[in-house]
Amino acid sequence: AQKVTQAQTEISVVEKEDVTLDCVYETRDTTYYLFWYKQPPSGELVFLIRRNSFDEQNEISGRYSWNFQKSTSSFNFTITASQVVDSAVYFCAPGGGGADGLTFGKGTHLIIQP
Amino acid sequence: NAGVTQTPKFQVLKTGQSMTLQCAQDMNHEYMSWYRQDPGMGLRLIHYSVGAGITDQGEVPNGYNVSRSTTEDFPLRLLSAAPSQTSVYFCASSYSPSGGLNHANTGELFFGEGSRLTVL
Repeated sequence: AQKVTQAQTEISVVEKEDVTLDCVYETRDTTYYLFWYKQPPSGELVFLIRRNSFDEQNEISGRYSWNFQKSTSSFNFTITASQVVDSAVYFCAPGGGGADGLTFGKGTHLIIQP
Repeated sequence: NAGVTQTPKFQVLKTGQSMTLQCAQDMNHEYMSWYRQDPGMGLRLIHYSVGAGITDQGEVPNGYNVSRSTTEDFPLRLLSAAPSQTSVYFCASSYSPSGGLNHANTGELFFGEGSRLTVL
């Protein structure tokens, strides 16, 4: 089983600021997977990214980027030039590939003020 | 393309009543699971299934039963509802629990829209 800590319960920034959401995980698995999901105010859960533990390349997708640091067990998520539509709860979720699936963090509530 | 369909979306129960939350997926996914979401707690795994006829307990299984008679359906049963079961419930499916070692498979969980349950 995995453990995950999202220490930031709530972050509030003004639109166009950059913001980083932290995720620290614990695992005993040598191969594991890391996910980020977004939950907008409408309530659905939206998949953002999956990262394999053996691929430490950082990834950029438009205004979103992810920094995977295996040495510090962190998988942080940065939004550049934030927009009001980015307001949501963001969940980090590691998984070991086992049948018990993903372990979700408690989430970070991101508020983007206009 | 329906994806994962949950019904009902809203339900109010009295303590002691029973009910079933329905979940169906049309993606031929082997893996299905139920989570509950409570304020400040993230999503916690209730039960999961790796295929028809196979189910197992997650982190918070007490008070819930599941069955998996077909690949498509994974209903969650509350036998005797309690106020502590007031929550938002999400059903999810995936090709495999978290993608396994298949690089071609994103391994993402596909979620239903959620079912908000209130137990009075």
